[in-house]
Amino acid sequence: EVQVVESGGGLIQPGESLRLSCAASGFTVISNHMSWVRQAPGKGLEWVSVIYGGDTTYYADSAKGRFTISSDNSKNTVFLQMNSLRAEDTAVYYCARAGFASGLYYGMDVWGRGTTVTVSS
Amino acid sequence: EIVLTQSPGTLSLSPGERATLSCRASQSISSTYLAWYQQKPGQAPRLLIYGASNRATGIPDRFSGSGSGTDFTLTISRLDPEDFAVYYCQQYGGSRPWSFGQGTKVEIK
Repeated sequence: EVQVVESGGGLIQPGESLRLSCAASGFTVISNHMSWVRQAPGKGLEWVSVIYGGDTTYYADSAKGRFTISSDNSKNTVFLQMNSLRAEDTAVYYCARAGFASGLYYGMDVWGRGTTVTVSS
Repeated sequence: EIVLTQSPGTLSLSPGERATLSCRASQSISSTYLAWYQQKPGQAPRLLIYGASNRATGIPDRFSGSGSGTDFTLTISRLDPEDFAVYYCQQYGGSRPWSFGQGTKVEIK
C-alpha cells in the first residue's frame, strides 16, 4: 500500500527544536518530490519545504534558515528538522508525495494524517 | 513568490447546483503547474486536479479544471452532499517557493 506516516510532533517551548519524520511505504522517496505542508488551527494550507533526488531542497520564506529537510533513503524516510520554534509554527504538519515529470506537475497525491506541533510556554 | 488568490471566500449552494471556484495567480504560471485539492474537517487534503485540467485517480467527472496564465477555475457540475468542503489551488514553484491559495469553502445553503 502506498502511504506516508508522520511522527515526531508534540508540545514544545518557544526557541526549542523538534524533528519530524515521514515514513514512506509502497514507493521510494528518492524518486519523488517529498513535501511538508502545514496548517495552523483554523487556517489554510501553507507549503513549507520540498526535497527531491535526495539532496535538492527548497523552503518557504517562513522556514528558511530555521528548518532543514532531509531524507534517509535506506529508511525511505523524510525528516523536517525545526529549530528556533515560534508560537506561529503551531500547526498540523503534513507530509505529501508530489510528482513532476516531463514538464507536468502531478500534484500532491499521497498525504499522511499529519502530526501536531504546538509551540507554547 | 507567486501569490494565489481564491474567490469567493465562501460559496453557499444547494446540492445539485453548479459550483465555480476561481484561483488567480499574481504572475503567469504554466497550466501544467496548477493543482486543486479538497479538504474536509479533520482530514488531510485530497488531490482533485493536476496540470490545471487533469482529474486525479478516482475523482468523479463532475469535477473539472480549466484555465491558463493567471486565471484558473475549478467547476463542480452538480454538487453532491459529499462535495461540501474547502477547496485549495496550489502551484508548483520548481526552484522557487511553492504556494497554496487561501481556500474557498463550499457550504450548504
